[in-house]
Amino acid sequence: DTGVSQDPRHKITKRGQNVTFRCDPISEHNRLYWYRQTLGQGPEFLTYFQNEAQLEKSRLLSDRFSAERPKGSFSTLEIQRTEQGDSAMYLCASSPRDRQSYEQYFGPGTRLTVT
Amino acid sequence: KNEVEQSPQNLTAQEGEFITINCSYSVGISALHWLQQHPGGGIVSLFMLSSGKKKHGRLIATINIQEKHSSLHITASHPRDSAVYICAVVNTDKLIFGTGTRLQVFP
Repeated sequence: DTGVSQDPRHKITKRGQNVTFRCDPISEHNRLYWYRQTLGQGPEFLTYFQNEAQLEKSRLLSDRFSAERPKGSFSTLEIQRTEQGDSAMYLCASSPRDRQSYEQYFGPGTRLTVT
Repeated sequence: KNEVEQSPQNLTAQEGEFITINCSYSVGISALHWLQQHPGGGIVSLFMLSSGKKKHGRLIATINIQEKHSSLHITASHPRDSAVYICAVVNTDKLIFGTGTRLQVFP
């Protein structure tokens, strides 16, 4: 098992374009989280899934953002009509989430630059 | 006011010095993480704790649930410890992060 992977690692796009990021969690981890980190700040929660169900979405997740985890394995995060303020590192994490586990394992992140 | 506050925001040290980073939180938590982030973005979990103290090599983490406070200590600091250290609390199954402490250790 190679850990949590994210693709692409870097994305440069022009304002107004749509972008999609992918996260592959550690196999058999049933929880998957998306976070966003802007420069000089700590990460902020965006949304999370348990299996294929999206259990919570942050107010930060405007209607331009959508996330899916259709088969309870990998997840995608799409941003429509990107804005310069969307420039950030998008982090994915997965968790086995058994009864006593609050561990989260992070991917390397996707750095988005909107020009 | 942020729900998770860290201090200091920036820290410089000479190799060998004892380092302390503090974290205070204002929400109910199930556990607290100390994370390390190197340039380039990758985040590594150093500790997860819900009570008491944990030690791993030169790193020690403590938590006081009653005072809603945790500390991360690095003994005999080394230049390879230079990174951003982030405190994050588990609140309703998601993490709430502090803004991080940027540590630079000089030889």
